[in-house]
Amino acid sequence: AQSVTQLGSHVSVSEGALVLLRCNYSSSVPPYLFWYVQYPNQGLQLLLKYTSAATLVKGINGFEAEFKKSETSFHLTKPSAHMSDAAEYFCAVSANAGGTSYGKLTFGQGTILTVHP
Amino acid sequence: EPEVTQTPSHQVTQMGQEVILRCVPISNHLYFYWYRQILGQKVEFLVSFYNNEISEKSEIFDDQFSVERPDGSNFTLKIRSTKLEDSAMYFCASSLDSPTSFGPGTRLTVL
Repeated sequence: AQSVTQLGSHVSVSEGALVLLRCNYSSSVPPYLFWYVQYPNQGLQLLLKYTSAATLVKGINGFEAEFKKSETSFHLTKPSAHMSDAAEYFCAVSANAGGTSYGKLTFGQGTILTVHP
Repeated sequence: EPEVTQTPSHQVTQMGQEVILRCVPISNHLYFYWYRQILGQKVEFLVSFYNNEISEKSEIFDDQFSVERPDGSNFTLKIRSTKLEDSAMYFCASSLDSPTSFGPGTRLTVL
């Protein structure tokens, strides 16, 4: 069984400030971890993924996330927020093993990021 | 880059009517999924489909729902008798290897 907890349903930062969105996961098998972004009235766009290679993962738009097994965390960061980063961000987990459930994602509740000028 | 496509983008229907949501997954993908997102809530897994059969389904996916891959290209979700609470964004997704690619969604409104 897998689950994801995103701490903070809303995060507000100033433009140019550090963005930190928190994600903790629970998984009975080694996980794959993902961050997706959803802009208003749009679908889900993959930001980055962890698939058991490097623990520090770089994604699009300057975002990165670090897999910390000991803390069961996969927090998303960006050094300097931009107005265009305002969106909802979802952390998700899947099993990294094969089988018929391969690729099935379990999502967190989402974090809405607001960026102030 | 190949994408998952979904039609229609918006669907409005009357309660009790049947709707079919259509998806074209990425052509070499083997695993297919439907997810649902009720307004303001998280994305929820509905069903996964592999090797021409359902491989896993959630509690949400009851007898009013069915999926089909009729022609090796399309992947459809049928809701037999829609309820008000079926109003949501429905996302189709496919995967071969990680990660899962999502379509843009169909917004279903049940009146």
